[in-house]
Amino acid sequence: GESVGLHLPTLSVQEGDNSIINCAYSNSASDYFIWYKQESGKGPQFIIDIRSNMDKRQGQRVTVLLNKTVKHLSLQIAATQPGDSAVYFCAEINDYKLSFGAGTTVTVRA
Amino acid sequence: NAGVTQTPKFQVLKTGQSMTLQCAQDMNHNSMYWYRQDPGMGLRLIYYSASEGTTDKGEVPNGYNVSRLNKREFSLRLESAAPSQTSVYFCASNEGETGELFFGEGSRLTVL
Repeated sequence: GESVGLHLPTLSVQEGDNSIINCAYSNSASDYFIWYKQESGKGPQFIIDIRSNMDKRQGQRVTVLLNKTVKHLSLQIAATQPGDSAVYFCAEINDYKLSFGAGTTVTVRA
Repeated sequence: NAGVTQTPKFQVLKTGQSMTLQCAQDMNHNSMYWYRQDPGMGLRLIYYSASEGTTDKGEVPNGYNVSRLNKREFSLRLESAAPSQTSVYFCASNEGETGELFFGEGSRLTVL
């Protein structure tokens, strides 16, 4: 079936470096994608979203890139900080419901 | 604003017992959702309610029932708990037209 998934389950990054988290999706009809961050013991929190008519969207220290040709989504975090350690999920909207990928656990090394 | 509040935060049940997870939101959102989160599987939608008075099945509804008591409250009931229902349950809400879901802190359920 069609689903949203992430390329790697874990990512270790040095503090101050940039992080790139990848996600592949298979539902070509999806037109809205979201990145969520989940810290240990908490619920997911919205980071940034992007619609299919865009290739790139920037927020505060984060950038989301969408490549519809290869159905790939990425989240870039600039100057990664210890507080960025969390699980990151990509999700797609389909009929007002979100479908989540399995998540990438990001660990920031001091 | 408390946002989305779930109770209880932790619960241990024996197989066959029943229980209800409560959820309330104070953001006047129309839509509410129940997800379960298992290791390595992300969040999976159990049931959702697009508006007060309506409920619909999500991806994994078997073994669960829901009630949209009013606009604020959306409860999830396990009639006869099974070990496979051991999970962390999240309630969420939004306006229904955007994807920005607001999540509760989660309810960790263990079924022995």
